[in-house]
Amino acid sequence: GQNIDQPTEMTATEGAIVQINCTYQTSGFNGLFWYQQHAGEAPTFLSYNVLDGLEEKGRFSSFLSRSKGYSYLLLKELQMKDSASYLCAVRDQTGANNLFFGTGTRLTVIP
Amino acid sequence: EAQVTQNPRYLITVTGKKLTVTCSQNMNHEYMSWYRQDPGLGLRQIYYSMNVEVTDKGDVPEGYKVSRKEKRNFPLILESPSPNQTSLYFCASSLQGTNEKLFFGSGTQLSVL
Repeated sequence: GQNIDQPTEMTATEGAIVQINCTYQTSGFNGLFWYQQHAGEAPTFLSYNVLDGLEEKGRFSSFLSRSKGYSYLLLKELQMKDSASYLCAVRDQTGANNLFFGTGTRLTVIP
Repeated sequence: EAQVTQNPRYLITVTGKKLTVTCSQNMNHEYMSWYRQDPGLGLRQIYYSMNVEVTDKGDVPEGYKVSRKEKRNFPLILESPSPNQTSLYFCASSLQGTNEKLFFGSGTQLSVL
């Protein structure tokens, strides 16, 4: 099975940097995804990590440590539009394409 | 435009009245999946399909049916809806492959009275 943990809520200031952590336990690991979801909308893809290390994409970066079962999403130069939920999801090794999601971290950006 | 289309966007129904939520994708994706999203519980998988005529249960399949007669369509059927199926539902699709991201539909907010 899978167990994915993220903080429920975070608050950060516009222009600052925020790190959202995700820890996971899974019977087999085949990649970790981060999605952004604005209230009432569909999740949209942010990043994918399968090897250890940092993947940078503009203001967003994602880090993975497979040995620690740990990932984080780093958001720089926060903007008000970054207020959203951030979902950590892991893909297992069953052969299907299934993604298992954490409960999400609701980020509020304040002026 | 590449997209996953779900209908309806909002649905209010009564207990026991059969309903279908449609999902269609135009990206020739092999894999399709249904999730429900509830406060504090996150996205939970209901059913998934790896290709035409191939479907399998996810984590919370009770009370739901699916079919995959064509590659592009993956309807979700509630034969006898109950109030505990009130939720926000998402259809998603992707190509096969461990690095392939899921594309989500815009969601269906279902209320069962």
